[in-house]
Amino acid sequence: GQSLEQPSEVTAVEGAIVQINCTYQTSGFYGLSWYQQHDGGAPTFLSYNALDGLEETGRFSSFLSRSDSYGYLLLQELQMKDSASYFCAVRDWRSQGNLIFGKGTKLSVKP
Amino acid sequence: DGGITQSPKYLFRKEGQNVTLSCEQNLNHDAMYWYRQDPGQGLRLIYYSQIVNDFQKGDIAEGYSVSREKKESFPLTVTSAQKNPTAFYLCASSNLAGTTDTQYFGPGTRLTVL
Repeated sequence: GQSLEQPSEVTAVEGAIVQINCTYQTSGFYGLSWYQQHDGGAPTFLSYNALDGLEETGRFSSFLSRSDSYGYLLLQELQMKDSASYFCAVRDWRSQGNLIFGKGTKLSVKP
Repeated sequence: DGGITQSPKYLFRKEGQNVTLSCEQNLNHDAMYWYRQDPGQGLRLIYYSQIVNDFQKGDIAEGYSVSREKKESFPLTVTSAQKNPTAFYLCASSNLAGTTDTQYFGPGTRLTVL
């Protein structure tokens, strides 16, 4: 079956850079997505990687290595509002194209 | 404004009662999904629908039922057969023709069984 591993918690200070890793086991991998969720809120889409390499969107970047079944989300110039949970998610043929979510990484940004 | 709405935001239910959670979208998306989220956990798929009048079970469908009579609406019923229904329920939709994985989520309904 499918499985995703990501750290449960990460702490960093304002202005710093933090990397949240995600390793996965799937069959017929389609792509890796990242979602952000503030406490009590709805998840919002951040990025999607289908091919190897780095995708940059403002302060956030996402990286994928298909050969290593590994990806990461990089958050630069951290702000207090970045404190949230971050979920990686994969699609593969076994899930009929549906997203399988990791358990999430809770990021706490300190002043 | 386009988006997904869920109601109610908070719902309390007595054991043994069925309850229906509403989900409406005006994004003209074909696909709709229901997820359950427990504290400190990821999202687990309950049911999904890729087209009107058709839906499929997800990973944890037992004790739940859905309908998809209209493209815009995908209500979820939590039945008395669901053993641990207290959770945060999230509805989402997506455009199947898109090339990314973007799912758009509603604000969620927090269900508490008393």
